[in-house]
Amino acid sequence: KAGVTQTPRYLIKTRGQQVTLSCSPISGHRSVSWYQQTPGQGLQFLFEYFSETQRNKGNFPGRFSGRQFSNSRSEMNVSTLELGDSALYLCASSFLAGGVNEQFFGPGTRLTVL
Amino acid sequence: ILNVEQSPQSLHVQEGDSTNFTCSFPSSNFYALHWYRWETAKSPEALFVMTLNGDEKKKGRISATLNTKEGYSYLYIKGSQPEDSATYLCASNTGGFKTIFGAGTRLFVKA
Repeated sequence: KAGVTQTPRYLIKTRGQQVTLSCSPISGHRSVSWYQQTPGQGLQFLFEYFSETQRNKGNFPGRFSGRQFSNSRSEMNVSTLELGDSALYLCASSFLAGGVNEQFFGPGTRLTVL
Repeated sequence: ILNVEQSPQSLHVQEGDSTNFTCSFPSSNFYALHWYRWETAKSPEALFVMTLNGDEKKKGRISATLNTKEGYSYLYIKGSQPEDSATYLCASNTGGFKTIFGAGTRLFVKA
């Protein structure tokens, strides 16, 4: 069974630009969560989608948005990029939404904002 | 405790040593506690999911305990091996299913 995939793996953007990251969950998984990791910080929860609906949202500004498609693939968009958005963005999929289910992580997208 | 806190931040042990680290989390609205192992250049890998007070889980040389009343979990590694070197993350799920991760404990096992 293929794992969680994320594209692209690496991305370099400049301040003010916008970026879209993609996450394909494990086949059959309907929940996708997004996390941001910056140096010295733990994984910060961005949002969780289940069956195309955002179930939960972390404490990030409105520049961070996401969506989920009918095939459970998810995209995350960051508009008006700032230097502080440079981070590793991980997505994780699970069969169901909610806190008990084991999450499977993708390899991440490393975003650098210049 | 409002956040998930892990201690120590890093740990250096010799091969064969047994070690443990702590995860403290909000005890109110507790739903589940997860432990992950994150090796360099890889994705975080789930170790345990625990939900009940007093839960104990074991996988090989690694085990974990859970105290939901006081809001802490311990992860134990018996007879550490170099391949155990990784960052160990814990994550707490509270009401609303929001996941809060700790900053991790970085374990270095020297051969």
